[in-house]
Amino acid sequence: GAGVSQSPSNKVTEKGKDVELRCDPISGHTALYWYRQRLGQGLEFLIYFQGNSAPDKSGLPSDRFSAERTGESVSTLTIQRTQQEDSAVYLCASSLASWASGNTIYFGEGSWLTVV
Amino acid sequence: GESVGLHLPTLSVQEGDNSIINCAYSNSASDYFIWYKQESGKGPQFIIDIRSNMDKRQGQRVTVLLNKTVKHLSLQIAATQPGDSAVYFCAENMAGGYNKLIFGAGTRLAVHP
Repeated sequence: GAGVSQSPSNKVTEKGKDVELRCDPISGHTALYWYRQRLGQGLEFLIYFQGNSAPDKSGLPSDRFSAERTGESVSTLTIQRTQQEDSAVYLCASSLASWASGNTIYFGEGSWLTVV
Repeated sequence: GESVGLHLPTLSVQEGDNSIINCAYSNSASDYFIWYKQESGKGPQFIIDIRSNMDKRQGQRVTVLLNKTVKHLSLQIAATQPGDSAVYFCAENMAGGYNKLIFGAGTRLAVHP
């Protein structure tokens, strides 16, 4: 596609429910990233995928968070047993292969999650 | 841990004036820096980048300056327009071939007519 596509754009869920957020990266981009942005704050790195390499999960805040990626395409971020503190915008980004530092990272519009 | 920070949380300027947004970084190993613009309700949009082997890079109405001696990065916007109103983030990428960005907290730019 022309850009990084995320769905849903908005999600309101009850505390304790599980949610899945989807990301379609730019075609041909092998690197995919998830970031979290709380209201009025900067971006917090969550997880990174690069091709078939093991993902870098160092930013996931707890074991309630997980992410998968099918090959070099779609990724799903799953939050289990959601808490109110999980309310944030979840941003997905993609770039060309990251072994060459400096490949521009392009962001989607984000999935706005509200836990009530 | 090391992180990128910003000096000013909010910057107010008059339309037509030049804007300067500053950023301090603490990781001397970073070799690539990016400025992003984020409008309300949207994802970050790439503005301009610079590698550590450069001191200055110019784009359309924007200039990024890098001072590695004091680990300082700045974004200059010429003839600021109302459409420039947004939150601006600087980000650094540590050397090592991994495109993992560390973002600062952001500076809000408010352009007044």
